[in-house]
Amino acid sequence: GQQLNQSPQSMFIQEGEDVSMNCTSSSIFNTWLWYKQDPGEGPVLLIALYKAGELTSNGRLTAQFGITRKDSFLNISASIPSDVGIYFCAGRIQGAQKLVFGQGTRLTINP
Amino acid sequence: NAGVTQTPKFRILKIGQSMTLQCTQDMNHNYMYWYRQDPGMGLKLIYYSVGAGITDKGEVPNGYNVSRSTTEDFPLRLELAAPSQTSVYFCASSALPNTEAFFGQGTRLTVV
Repeated sequence: GQQLNQSPQSMFIQEGEDVSMNCTSSSIFNTWLWYKQDPGEGPVLLIALYKAGELTSNGRLTAQFGITRKDSFLNISASIPSDVGIYFCAGRIQGAQKLVFGQGTRLTINP
Repeated sequence: NAGVTQTPKFRILKIGQSMTLQCTQDMNHNYMYWYRQDPGMGLKLIYYSVGAGITDKGEVPNGYNVSRSTTEDFPLRLELAAPSQTSVYFCASSALPNTEAFFGQGTRLTVV
């Protein structure tokens, strides 16, 4: 069954607005990864998180590994047209060797 | 830098046909994965491998088979194609189970 719940499923925003999305689970994770997928392409890694409480930035993107190790969020500040795409959270459950993905957040930006 | 290479990029199959989706990586990664992505959905894990000769089922393994005879290659086999297997298939690899997974460009499969 679905082990990661990602929300929101879609967002429609104006250029320049900030964006926030999150992933939650009932399981404990030891790694959180945030990916972006452009149309017709495979997902590309944006940010990797390995410790509870860790806050990491990559340009206008900031992600945090939740203290409970059951959630993570991604923020995008001052959105621009090239931020359009589908954002996925992914993580490794403690003790497991497989990477599981959230359902994705589809971001649409109105210029 | 080739990274993860998938072939073919597109394929149309008739119901009941079989095919193999190829995946190869040149990063000497031990971990390899096959995901499927249905329209508007996330990625569901089909099979994964932690090294040559070792494979295990993911969330949706029914209707698929894999093998891992070398570190580089991880082919995915569909024996009796069904319309429910229409999807985009992504192969990925990583050095360790908790590090970045690199993805191929995907194979878009339609079963009619």
